[in-house]
Amino acid sequence: QKEVEQNSGPLSVPEGAIASLNCTYSDRGSQSFFWYRQYSGKSPELIMFIYSNGDKEDGRFTAQLNKASQYVSLLIRDSQPSDSATYLCAVKGYRDSSYKLIFGSGTRLLVRP
Amino acid sequence: GAVVSQHPSRVICKSGTSVKIECRSLDFQATTMFWYRQFPKQSLMLMATSNEGSKATYEQGVEKDKFLINHASLTLSTLTVTSAHPEDSSFYICSAHTTKHSTDTQYFGPGTRLTVL
Repeated sequence: QKEVEQNSGPLSVPEGAIASLNCTYSDRGSQSFFWYRQYSGKSPELIMFIYSNGDKEDGRFTAQLNKASQYVSLLIRDSQPSDSATYLCAVKGYRDSSYKLIFGSGTRLLVRP
Repeated sequence: GAVVSQHPSRVICKSGTSVKIECRSLDFQATTMFWYRQFPKQSLMLMATSNEGSKATYEQGVEKDKFLINHASLTLSTLTVTSAHPEDSSFYICSAHTTKHSTDTQYFGPGTRLTVL
């Protein structure tokens, strides 16, 4: 089992729809969760972080965390073609005597005009 | 968010040469920086963790003598790919850890695309 799992996609949604991206993680002790967006050929860009159970909203983005079920999701409202990218879920974990981000393989989102 | 720069953004070199990539945190000090590699259509792969003033910690399978990392100051880490070969061609991305802006996470540099002929 991978430490952080995401559906690779592509997830295709029409413009204006809600895109729902999901991520599960294996380490029950994880406390910090992040969503990065990566456009093709570019480096990842932090878009959301969440530490507590529940929802956290920032503009069109909502991160949802359920530690009991070990999943974190990202909702994008009013999806735009410019949201088309790969979305990486990351969980902060303690490995080899240091903290580091454990990344999922990413979900490719395609927003159709 | 916090600003991290990388230089060069793109480099093409001949097989057997060495290439140095710089990673700088521009508006914060980073005691820890990370180096990743990403092949086309694949996920990020952590290569090593770079700590200021100490030796880097390499991930399993990454050759420390081939990928030399130096983190001489709180704002600069360098990755040198020694005796590069075509299979080293990849997108190299650094990130810097910070607790700025009420987050405790990493911000990525723009990446360096290395092509070895």
